Amino acid sequence: DIQMTQSPSSLSVSVGDRVTITCRASQSISSYVNWYQQRPGKAPKLLIYGASSLQSGVPSRFSGSGSGTDFTLTISSLQPEDCATYYCQQSYSTPPGFGQGTKVEI
Amino acid sequence: QVQLVESGGGLVKPGGSLRLSCAASGFTFSDFYMGWIRQAPGKGLEYISYISGSGDTRYHAHSLKGRFTISRDNAKNSLYLQMNSLRVDDTAVYYCAREWDYCSGISCSSLDFWGQGALVTVSS
Repeated sequence: DIQMTQSPSSLSVSVGDRVTITCRASQSISSYVNWYQQRPGKAPKLLIYGASSLQSGVPSRFSGSGSGTDFTLTISSLQPEDCATYYCQQSYSTPPGFGQGTKVEI
Repeated sequence: QVQLVESGGGLVKPGGSLRLSCAASGFTFSDFYMGWIRQAPGKGLEYISYISGSGDTRYHAHSLKGRFTISRDNAKNSLYLQMNSLRVDDTAVYYCAREWDYCSGISCSSLDFWGQGALVTVSS
């Protein structure tokens, strides 16, 4: 199975900060990574698919990059509503596993 | 608009059974793979099962040890998860989600719509 390792596991930031979350795959997965946001008590929401494509309706301050084994989710200017846990997920092979999550707090 | 609504969660004793349902609307249900993802209290996401649009292809996580079965009824626009021999560590919120094939390739999938989740509590 492909393991997805996110870092950091949590971070404390301020409104307006640039935030970077990384995800490393245990083997090359091309660009088959998705990113999700989960606010407390809510279902996850798709932010980025295919490593860098922004899902419809998602603010442009979110962006994704990377290929192979190393991937990044960036929030260019953090807003209060971005306080959430973020998960990467690989779709390259079954099982389609998630990273352990990164909690972003203000 | 796409909607996914889970039902069937609740409190069950260890060793018991439960069937979750997910009612889908707003899209052609049979055209999409569907999945079940669970989240134990305070923990991360675990993708436990998926099924193809026709029902011919299914995946169940090894961790389930054959206790859970995914199925679907395309005539009823419904997805199911039959859970048997439930254990305390199956306690979680169970989400159904739609698999979106964004580039017509076997690996080009993401979970673009999610239900609100159904809480399953296994406790004596």
